[in-house]
Amino acid sequence: RKEVEQDPGPFNVPEGATVAFNCTYSNSASQSFFWYRQDCRKEPKLLMSVYSSGNEDGRFTAQLNRASQYISLLIRDSKLSDSATYLCVVKSGGSNYKLTFGKGTLLTVNP
Amino acid sequence: EAGVTQSPTHLIKTRGQQATLRCSPISGHTSVYWYQQALGLGLQFLLWYDEGEERNRGNFPPRFSGRQFPNYSSELNVNALELEDSALYLCASSGLPLSGPQHFGDGTRLSIL
Repeated sequence: RKEVEQDPGPFNVPEGATVAFNCTYSNSASQSFFWYRQDCRKEPKLLMSVYSSGNEDGRFTAQLNRASQYISLLIRDSKLSDSATYLCVVKSGGSNYKLTFGKGTLLTVNP
Repeated sequence: EAGVTQSPTHLIKTRGQQATLRCSPISGHTSVYWYQQALGLGLQFLLWYDEGEERNRGNFPPRFSGRQFPNYSSELNVNALELEDSALYLCASSGLPLSGPQHFGDGTRLSIL
């Protein structure tokens, strides 16, 4: 099982749609979780951290399920500008920690 | 505040040559991370430096090496370049080595001919 696995893309949705991405991780000792966004041929940028209690930032909601070892990202009322690749990121390793990135899910929001 | 800066933007080499990539972290950040983003493989962790020392490395051969300078900038060196080393190399920095998000530079696109 891969360390971090994401929904296979691509996702093509119309403007205004709600879209959800899931991500599973294999290391039960993983400590922190993030969603990054990467635009085509650009660097990844932090979208939001994911907390155990779930957290929301505007149209974006992230949730963590430690028992099932998955995290999710929900985008409501999607905009054209949301078109990007969304990367699930897991931090683990204690003092030798590293970030492990999923391969990403491509989202295209269509007019 | 300036972000993470990387140079050069593009680098073209031939097989067997050596490449040096450079990264300057955000001011005040002591940790620098290197990643390789090859087509179809996603972001792969390469190296982590903090306070001038290598703290962790990913599953890459020894010809991938680097260092961190007293001003926290960093170099990634790739020796004996192979065709499959063609990729985007991203540098990231964070202020707290064991927590907090990483902020990425624009990357160096390395092409091996």
